[in-house]
Amino acid sequence: AQKITQTQPGMFVQEKEAVTLDCTYDTSDQSYGLFWYKQPSSGEMIFLIYQGSYDEQNATEGRYSLNFQKARKSANLVISASQLGDSAMYFCAMREGLQGAQKLVFGQGTRLTINP
Amino acid sequence: DTAVSQTPKYLVTQMGNDKSIKCEQNLGHDTMYWYKQDSKKFLKIMFSYNNKELIINETVPNRFSPKSPDKAHLNLHINSLELGDSAVYFCASSQGTSGRALVYNEQFFGPGTRLTVL
Repeated sequence: AQKITQTQPGMFVQEKEAVTLDCTYDTSDQSYGLFWYKQPSSGEMIFLIYQGSYDEQNATEGRYSLNFQKARKSANLVISASQLGDSAMYFCAMREGLQGAQKLVFGQGTRLTINP
Repeated sequence: DTAVSQTPKYLVTQMGNDKSIKCEQNLGHDTMYWYKQDSKKFLKIMFSYNNKELIINETVPNRFSPKSPDKAHLNLHINSLELGDSAVYFCASSQGTSGRALVYNEQFFGPGTRLTVL
């Protein structure tokens, strides 16, 4: 069963608009972490933001914020004031596993294109 | 002052050959990983090493053999390469054994190695 689901294969947004990338997850663990990574066309994986399952406030990092709705098991990434350089693949991931044997499980990714 | 480095960046080889990909991190982390990204961009973990000990082995064919000579290095050796092995292989590292680092477990990724098997 898919543990991380990103339902938007591709999104097109006008520059300077805000964009929300969807991510839902499935876990029975009480303690878990959710991550978003950006992969530009150059191929590297860039960490954007993290949300812990016990964090009461939504995470924010500059123009990135994470809309964490625990009861709905969703962790959507919000990018405010999008820029051309935001065009990339975006991956949602969940940390799972026991101490010392943790791994990231990734969603299928969303390709975001920012139009000028 | 690259955090996680991989060599080579590109690797083109014939079916049946044996090849290695090297990974080094200078972050002082104690856990390293190999991930495979297929042609559809799907990322999946292959292996994880903690303090040179194999922790995770995700049903990867035994043609793939990771080796960790020390905490800072995790190499991936692939025997008898097949067409389906063509992918981008990412090395990553994290400091994830205690406290906030354990919970957070942010993983820092290398630049990736694009392997093409002809």
